[in-house]
Amino acid sequence: DAGVIQSPRHEVTEMGQEVTLRCKPISGHDYLFWYRQTMMRGLELLIYFNNNVPIDDSGMPEDRFSAKMPNASFSTLKIQPSEPRDSAVYFCASTGGYTEAFFGQGTRLTVV
Amino acid sequence: AQKVTQAQTEISVVEKEDVTLDCVYETRDTTYYLFWYKQPPSGELVFLIRRNSFDEQNEISGRYSWNFQKSTSSFNFTITASQVVDSAVYFCALSEAKNTDKLIFGTGTRLQVFP
Repeated sequence: DAGVIQSPRHEVTEMGQEVTLRCKPISGHDYLFWYRQTMMRGLELLIYFNNNVPIDDSGMPEDRFSAKMPNASFSTLKIQPSEPRDSAVYFCASTGGYTEAFFGQGTRLTVV
Repeated sequence: AQKVTQAQTEISVVEKEDVTLDCVYETRDTTYYLFWYKQPPSGELVFLIRRNSFDEQNEISGRYSWNFQKSTSSFNFTITASQVVDSAVYFCALSEAKNTDKLIFGTGTRLQVFP
């Protein structure tokens, strides 16, 4: 398996624009997580899914953030409208349950 | 509430020195899991180890070793004979039995190994 795949690797966008980050989990994994990493706050869990269903979205910072998992092999994290303070590295991770989480390489988002 | 504390923000050593990264955790659960991840300069998060709360045996993997002590709620990580390639940020993380897949991370320790 190629591991968790995230796209794009880098995204630069202007304030106010919509941003969509994508994630393909490892095949067979039924948990998917979105994390955000910043210097100030470290690694924060934003939301996670089990069998495509959102289980806990308490970490989503604002209504501007939304996440979907339409099927077992794809998830998106959308920010609309984006703001400079959303600049961070966004990681997607997946796990099969009772195992370690495998992380993607992250998407570095810069909002100018 | 669960919490992971990595008090060492940054550590610098010279190659071949041994170095220990500290991790202290808080949880009310009796069943939980502890992890260490490595984040090299390239940015990805690499899994190193997973330990459940019922297994207090120390673990050794090559130059890496982990010391789990429930009495002090600590899960420390030692690199023996450090190398420049060990330079990275190391994260300790915790998950609880009722939510085994939800990782709570510490703030990380940046290790710099100089030649």
